Amino acid sequence: GNSVTQMEGPVTLSEEAFLTINCTYTATGYPSLFWYVQYPGEGLQLLLKATKADDKGSNKGFEATYRKETTSFHLEKGSVQVSDSAVYFCALILTGGGNKLTFGTGTQLKVEL
Amino acid sequence: EPEVTQTPSHQVTQMGQEVILRCVPISNHLYFYWYRQILGQKVEFLVSFYNNEISEKSEIFDDQFSVERPDGSNFTLKIRSTKLEDSAMYFCASSQRTSGADTQYFGPGTRLTVL
Repeated sequence: GNSVTQMEGPVTLSEEAFLTINCTYTATGYPSLFWYVQYPGEGLQLLLKATKADDKGSNKGFEATYRKETTSFHLEKGSVQVSDSAVYFCALILTGGGNKLTFGTGTQLKVEL
Repeated sequence: EPEVTQTPSHQVTQMGQEVILRCVPISNHLYFYWYRQILGQKVEFLVSFYNNEISEKSEIFDDQFSVERPDGSNFTLKIRSTKLEDSAMYFCASSQRTSGADTQYFGPGTRLTVL
């Protein structure tokens, strides 16, 4: 079946540190890949996405590259801010396989001054 | 910016009682979804809905669950006889289309606690 594996949190960083949150996937076909973010008290918001191999999604300084050879979609940001503190979810939709998102467990990020 | 809204934000109920969770999707969206997240576990797909019928459902979505679009704006999830294990955060989402690249927009969730 399809699944997403994320690094466990919480991840605690100092402001301006470099962020990597690992995400790998298993899929029976060709997925589209997503990162969603959930700020405290709010719903899941799409952060970025990539729909085919070697695509790079980017938004708000965050980036992730769809790596088919390593089945990965790691999230990176060069310099985190306190306002980036949230829970980050990696997810996939199987292209042509319906419209349900398959999520990872989420990784909590805490950024401190 | 349009957003998905959900009510209530927190629902506490006794085991065996019926609950209805409500969602107002984004107005021009045609596809609607429910997901849930049991504390500490993954966000799981429950059901998708299009053109007034279920288009896909998961194994979790058994006969105790039902969905409805009673009017032009609301989308509801009903649990007929709640169990302790139904305690979770329930998220509603909507999208314009059902292609893999289309964005699903999520509401803030309803936390259901079954006692």
